[in-house]
Amino acid sequence: QSALTQPASVSGSPGQSITISCTGAGSDFGGYNSISWYQQHPDKAPKLVIYEVTNRPSGVSDRFSGSTSGNTASLTISGLQAEDEADYYCSASRTSVTLVEFGGGTRLTVL
Amino acid sequence: QVELQESGPGLVKPSETLSLTCTVSGGSISGHFYNWIRQSPGKGLEWIGYIYNGGHIHFNPSLKSRVAISSRTSDNEFSLTLTSVTAADTAVYYCARRGRTPTLAWYFDLWGRGTLVTVSS
Repeated sequence: QSALTQPASVSGSPGQSITISCTGAGSDFGGYNSISWYQQHPDKAPKLVIYEVTNRPSGVSDRFSGSTSGNTASLTISGLQAEDEADYYCSASRTSVTLVEFGGGTRLTVL
Repeated sequence: QVELQESGPGLVKPSETLSLTCTVSGGSISGHFYNWIRQSPGKGLEWIGYIYNGGHIHFNPSLKSRVAISSRTSDNEFSLTLTSVTAADTAVYYCARRGRTPTLAWYFDLWGRGTLVTVSS
């Protein structure tokens, strides 16, 4: 059972913005400086889109952005495009012990 | 350009041992944390463990009793062994590289394409 909770699905129309949340649970949940986000298209490997909460790897569109508020991290995709339709996973590591966890994933549908 | 490629049997019998290898091309295996991550069909991602510079190894506590990770620097590859497999171990297995960072952050900036391993008699 992951300590990271994501909504099962979100949807939006082309051009709109959507936000996917990732909520931590448990008293030993690590600091949010380790939050990362991955995009996964069907039958493909995950692709890093955000690391260390707000950083974008080279080559990732600036339409992707990350943030945190309280015990929740968020991935926002602005100007939705059809190619953004995919599964998105958040990930974080605990500080009490080296353990990398993933959220359950969110299916993004572009209407 | 560094690439990762998983290889190994696609079918393993229950109670037997799963063995996979990840070959790193275009760069050295040294100096990076290399990881195994799996994804059960239709399910989410599960981190299995990592190896760093051949000797520093750490596993997910949920799998620790059945997992081993080793590396062969001369061949630029690292391997996963999972013993006493059951149907629950059926998954796509990925190797992935931890991104370089001066912080304690863990993120994976490079992934292999993944290989499906089915546990079935």
